[in-house]
Amino acid sequence: DTQMTQSPSSLSASLGDSVTITCRSSQAISNSLAWYQQKPGKAPKLLLYGAFRLGSGVPSRFSGSSGSGTDYTLTISSLQPEDFAAYYCQQYYSNPYTFGQGTKLEI
Amino acid sequence: QVQLVESGGGVVQPGRSLRLSCVVSGFTFTNYAMHWVRQAPGKGLEWVAFMSFDGNDEYYGDSVKGRFTISRDNSKNTLYLQMNNVRAEDSAVYYCAKDPSARVWGYFDYWGQGTLVTVSS
Repeated sequence: DTQMTQSPSSLSASLGDSVTITCRSSQAISNSLAWYQQKPGKAPKLLLYGAFRLGSGVPSRFSGSSGSGTDYTLTISSLQPEDFAAYYCQQYYSNPYTFGQGTKLEI
Repeated sequence: QVQLVESGGGVVQPGRSLRLSCVVSGFTFTNYAMHWVRQAPGKGLEWVAFMSFDGNDEYYGDSVKGRFTISRDNSKNTLYLQMNNVRAEDSAVYYCAKDPSARVWGYFDYWGQGTLVTVSS
């Protein structure tokens, strides 16, 4: 199975800040990487897929990149109040599809 | 708009069975693969099972293989998860989720609101 290691597990930031969350896969996943946002008591929402492609209706302050076949980042620019939530990466290169442990973004 | 509505959760004793349902609307169900994903209370996300658009392909996570069965009724726009021989560690919110492909991409572009399953004696 492909293990996904996400960091940090929690992050404090202020409105207007820019933050970066990192996800590392245990093997190369060829940009088959999605990011989700989850607010308390709600279902996850797709933010990005293919490592850097925005999901439907997702603001452009969310962006993704890959530094290699195993290292991926989610960057949120100019933090808005609605961005404070949990974020998860997920690889879909191979079954079983696996998630990172999550990052809780707090004010 | 796309809607996925799960039901069937509740309290179930260890070793018993439960069937979850997910009724979808707002898209052509027969054209898309579907998944179940779960989240234990206060924990992260775990993919559980997948079924292709036509029901011919199905995959399972190791933790549920041999105990859970995914199925679909395309005439009813409904996805199911039959959970047998449940364990305490199966306690979670279960989400149904849509795949953007008929066969499988493996990520989830729409999610339901979830149904809570609690395994307890």
